[in-house]
Amino acid sequence: DIQMTQSPSSLSASVGDRVTITCQASRDINNYLNWYQQKPGKAPNLLIYDASTLKTGVPSRFSGSGSGTHFTITINSLQPEDIATYYCQQYDSLPITFGQGTRLEIK
Amino acid sequence: QVQLVQSGAEVKRPGSSVKVSCQASGGAFSSYAISWVRQAPGQGPEWMGGIIPLFGSTNYAQKFQGRVTITADESTSTAYLDLKRLRFDDTAIYYCARTQHTGYDRFDYWGQGSLVTVSS
Repeated sequence: DIQMTQSPSSLSASVGDRVTITCQASRDINNYLNWYQQKPGKAPNLLIYDASTLKTGVPSRFSGSGSGTHFTITINSLQPEDIATYYCQQYDSLPITFGQGTRLEIK
Repeated sequence: QVQLVQSGAEVKRPGSSVKVSCQASGGAFSSYAISWVRQAPGQGPEWMGGIIPLFGSTNYAQKFQGRVTITADESTSTAYLDLKRLRFDDTAIYYCARTQHTGYDRFDYWGQGSLVTVSS
């Protein structure tokens, strides 16, 4: 199975900050990487797919980059509604696997 | 708009089985892969397996092989997760999730989740 490792596991930032979360795959997954946002009591919500494509309706302050084994999601100008846990997910090969999550809090 | 509506919460004894349903509406059912993803308290999501109704094909994570069965009823646009020999660590929220393709890639649509509690 492909292991997905996120860092940091938690992050505290101020409104307006630029925030970056990293996801490392245990082997090359090309760009077969998605990012989800999950708020308490809700299902995960797709933000970015294929490493860098923003899902329709997702604010442009979110962006994704990377390929191979190293990926990032960046939030430019953090907003209070961005407080959530973020997960990466690979689909290069089955089983699909997720990172352990990065919990984002407001400072 | 695609909607996935899941069955309600369940409390089960260790060693028993649970069957969770996921009814889809608002789009074609058979053409797209439906997966089951669970999330234990405080943990990340975990893919258990999926089905492509059009082909009747299933894929399961090795971890659940032999304990899980995923089926689909095209007449009612409903997918099912059957998990046997329940253990305490199977306590989790179980989600169905659908792609927009016949393969397993990104999960565009999710059910609301079904809490399964395994307790003696």
